[in-house]
Amino acid sequence: GQQVMQIPQYQHVQEGEDFTTYCNSSTTLSNIQWYKQRPGGHPVFLIQLVKSGEVKKQKRLTFQFGEAKKNSSLHITATQTTDVGTYFCAGPDFQKLVFGTGTRLLVSP
Amino acid sequence: DGGITQSPKYLFRKEGQNVTLSCEQNLNHDAMYWYRQDPGQGLRLIYYSQIVNDFQKGDIAEGYSVSREKKESFPLTVTSAQKNPTAFYLCASSKDRGAGANVLTFGAGSRLTVL
Repeated sequence: GQQVMQIPQYQHVQEGEDFTTYCNSSTTLSNIQWYKQRPGGHPVFLIQLVKSGEVKKQKRLTFQFGEAKKNSSLHITATQTTDVGTYFCAGPDFQKLVFGTGTRLLVSP
Repeated sequence: DGGITQSPKYLFRKEGQNVTLSCEQNLNHDAMYWYRQDPGQGLRLIYYSQIVNDFQKGDIAEGYSVSREKKESFPLTVTSAQKNPTAFYLCASSKDRGAGANVLTFGAGSRLTVL
């Protein structure tokens, strides 16, 4: 079945530093979604990318969908302590959504 | 406010006991899903349902059962056959059938610990 991998598994940064997580799918995706899960919380939808090469921004967050629609990235500029959490990408597999392994972000003040 | 309600939030169970986790949504969403999350791990799909009275196995359905008698409700039973049931269980829903094109809304989760 489809597999979605993310790297790195974990990253610890100082507040103000940038952060990037990468998502790779074993198959071509029709779209990719990103979710954020705060510690002790539940995943919350951030964004969906549909077009090849698409780039979308949400304040300090920049999301990119690869040209081949098999990979994606999330870049956070100048991290803040509120960015702490685990970031998941997710891709469709027929009627269900397959989640990546997640990248856990820690931000030290 | 519309949303998904999961209960209980925390649950302790002795080995050999079945437990049922509740999931109710008032979003009028067609599809509902159950995911399992282990510490430091991603989300793995247990079961999903696109319409009432129909459901499909996900990637790790063994030891679990579900029902979808009402559109709003999708309870999950963790049976004694589930070898490692201690985990965080997340219920989700999507507006239309086919999560592939639809955003998932998650409940707050139920944390099950087997003693």
